Amino acid sequence: GENVEQHPSTLSVQEGDSAVIKCTYSDSASNYFPWYKQELGKRPQLIIDIRSNVGEKKDQRIAVTLNKTAKHFSLHITETQPEDSAVYFCAAWESNAGGTSYGKLTFGQGTILTVHP
Amino acid sequence: KAGVTQTPRYLIKTRGQQVTLSCSPISGHRSVSWYQQTPGQGLQFLFEYFSETQRNKGNFPGRFSGRQFSNSRSEMNVSTLELGDSALYLCASSLGVGRETQYFGPGTRLLVL
Repeated sequence: GENVEQHPSTLSVQEGDSAVIKCTYSDSASNYFPWYKQELGKRPQLIIDIRSNVGEKKDQRIAVTLNKTAKHFSLHITETQPEDSAVYFCAAWESNAGGTSYGKLTFGQGTILTVHP
Repeated sequence: KAGVTQTPRYLIKTRGQQVTLSCSPISGHRSVSWYQQTPGQGLQFLFEYFSETQRNKGNFPGRFSGRQFSNSRSEMNVSTLELGDSALYLCASSLGVGRETQYFGPGTRLLVL
């Protein structure tokens, strides 16, 4: 099955700096990679996602890059703000065997991002 | 549209008891996935239901089970509770057609004493 490793486990930055979180996955057939943000006591919420036919996607201060050959993808947050402080999870979608469209998400262990004012 | 809802939000049980958690997906979503979230293990996939059928199952013991009703609402049950079952249980709903966004509920926090 799929295995997703996420680094670093904690990340501390100053307001205005950039933050980068990296994930690697094991199953070369994985083809969908979402990122979720979970604030303390709240539910995980999707912030950006990328599919395997795209190498990069950007949404304002957030961008995700995907390297299928190396099987890793990264989240980039620029001009960080204190409200970006949260736990970030990467995930990889693994389709079930047999060419089906359905499957499941495997999550990384999470990164605690702290943005200091 | 209303978001994913879960009940109850908090639950305290003792070892050996059983518990049932409920999840109502977003209207029109037919897939419900369940996850266990703990500080040490992160988000771990339990199982997924689509059109009242379990399509996927994670690596959890048989004490963890679930079902889905015709209105797509889902329940999960944990029997013979153990201390290690203390966790936040999250459900997520989606259309169920493939690589798509999963929308999470607020979770049920279960404490086993």
